[in-house]
Amino acid sequence: GQQVMQIPQYQHVQEGEDFTTYCNSSTTLSNIQWYKQRPGGHPVFLIQLVKSGEVKKQKRLTFQFGEAKKNSSLHITATQTTDVGTYFCAGGRGAQKLVFGQGTRLTINP
Amino acid sequence: DTEVTQTPKHLVMGMTNKKSLKCEQHMGHRAMYWYKQKAKKPPELMFVYSYEKLSINESVPSRFSPECPNSSLLNLHLHALQPEDSALYLCASSHDGSSTDTQYFGPGTRLTVL
Repeated sequence: GQQVMQIPQYQHVQEGEDFTTYCNSSTTLSNIQWYKQRPGGHPVFLIQLVKSGEVKKQKRLTFQFGEAKKNSSLHITATQTTDVGTYFCAGGRGAQKLVFGQGTRLTINP
Repeated sequence: DTEVTQTPKHLVMGMTNKKSLKCEQHMGHRAMYWYKQKAKKPPELMFVYSYEKLSINESVPSRFSPECPNSSLLNLHLHALQPEDSALYLCASSHDGSSTDTQYFGPGTRLTVL
């Protein structure tokens, strides 16, 4: 079945450093979504990418969707303590469900 | 109102108990989901209801029984659970169940099975 791999599993950074998480699918995706889950919280939608090669920005967050629509990345510039949490990518293939990556857990040293 | 509510927040039950988890949304969404999430793992899809009909059952054991009484409500009936069923159970809703929908998650019910 469809798999969505996400790396790294964990990332610890100093506050102010950049952070990137990568997502790769075994099959072409119709779209990819990114969610953030704070410790003890629930997943919260961040963004959706649909077009090949698409790049979207939200303040310090930059999201990319690969040309082949099989990979994606989330880059955070100058991390802040409020960025702590687990970031999940989730791929869609036109069916009624999203397939979640394993998540990247970000911790930050203030 | 972009909120999905879930009750109870915490639930401890024995293996012989019967309990129900409840989920509600008032966003006019026509798709609702149950996910199971173990610690440090991604949400794992269990069921999808679309227009109040069960459209996806991810081979979930029959001790979990979903119910969608109307378009705003989703229940998960639990019976004869096992300790390995202890997890965070998340409800989500979306516009109509398309994979391009944004899914709005509730805060979850943290279930412990003794």
